[in-house]
Amino acid sequence: AQSVTQLGSHVSVSEGALVLLRCNYSSSVPPYLFWYVQYPNQGLQLLLKYTTGATLVKGINGFEAEFKKSETSFHLTKPSAHMSDAAEYFCAVTPSGGSYIPTFGRGTSLIVHP
Amino acid sequence: DSGVTQTPKHLITATGQRVTLRCSPRSGDLSVYWYQQSLDQGLQFLIQYYNGEERAKGNILERFSAQQFPDLHSELNLSSLELGDSALYFCASSVGSTGGKMTQYFGPGTRLLVL
Repeated sequence: AQSVTQLGSHVSVSEGALVLLRCNYSSSVPPYLFWYVQYPNQGLQLLLKYTTGATLVKGINGFEAEFKKSETSFHLTKPSAHMSDAAEYFCAVTPSGGSYIPTFGRGTSLIVHP
Repeated sequence: DSGVTQTPKHLITATGQRVTLRCSPRSGDLSVYWYQQSLDQGLQFLIQYYNGEERAKGNILERFSAQQFPDLHSELNLSSLELGDSALYFCASSVGSTGGKMTQYFGPGTRLLVL
C-alpha cells in the first residue's frame, strides 16, 4: 500500500522568493517518485522524477527535488519564483515492483504575488 | 502540446446515460492510461492498456470499461452515469509497459458533467 501527503493545499509566495512544496509518502516497496504541474485547463506535465541513483533530481523550469528516504519525503523547490509558476502541483508515487498503480497527492496550488 | 489528443473536450449528459471518451496516444507510444480527477477524490488512476491488453487496474467502477484498439487509440466507456461521475477524465501515454517509472504524457482531458 502507498499514500502521498502534500502539506498545504495552497502555498503563496512573492515573485523572486523561494518555492518549497512538501510531499511525504509511504510505500511498502521502494518507490518511484514524481512531481507534476497542471496549468489551468490543461493536463498534467511531468516536472521531474526519481527512480534510482542520485537523490537530488533536477527538472524543468528550474525546479528540483530531493529524495530523502529517512524522512520519506520528496519536497519540490525552486530558488526564485516566477509569475508563470502559478499552477497546481501534484506529487505522485508508484511502486518499483509489481503492477503500475500510482497514488497522487491532493495537490498544492502555488500562488505567486508580484 | 503533449501529442496526446482527447475528444470530446466537454460532454454534458444526463444521469443513467452512457458516454464514450476517446484518446489517441503520442505517435510511437504503446501504453495508454486513464485517470479521473474530481474535487472529492482528487486524481485517481483508473486503468492501463499496453498494446491492446489490460496491464493494470486501479479504482475503476464496474460501470466503466475501457479498451485499446489495434491502431492504439483507446476508449473509456462510462455507463449508467451518476451525478458523482462528473469529473475531468485524462488520458496519458508512454512508450513502454513498465508504467512505474515511465514518463507519461497527458492529454488535455475531457470534462464530463452529468446533470
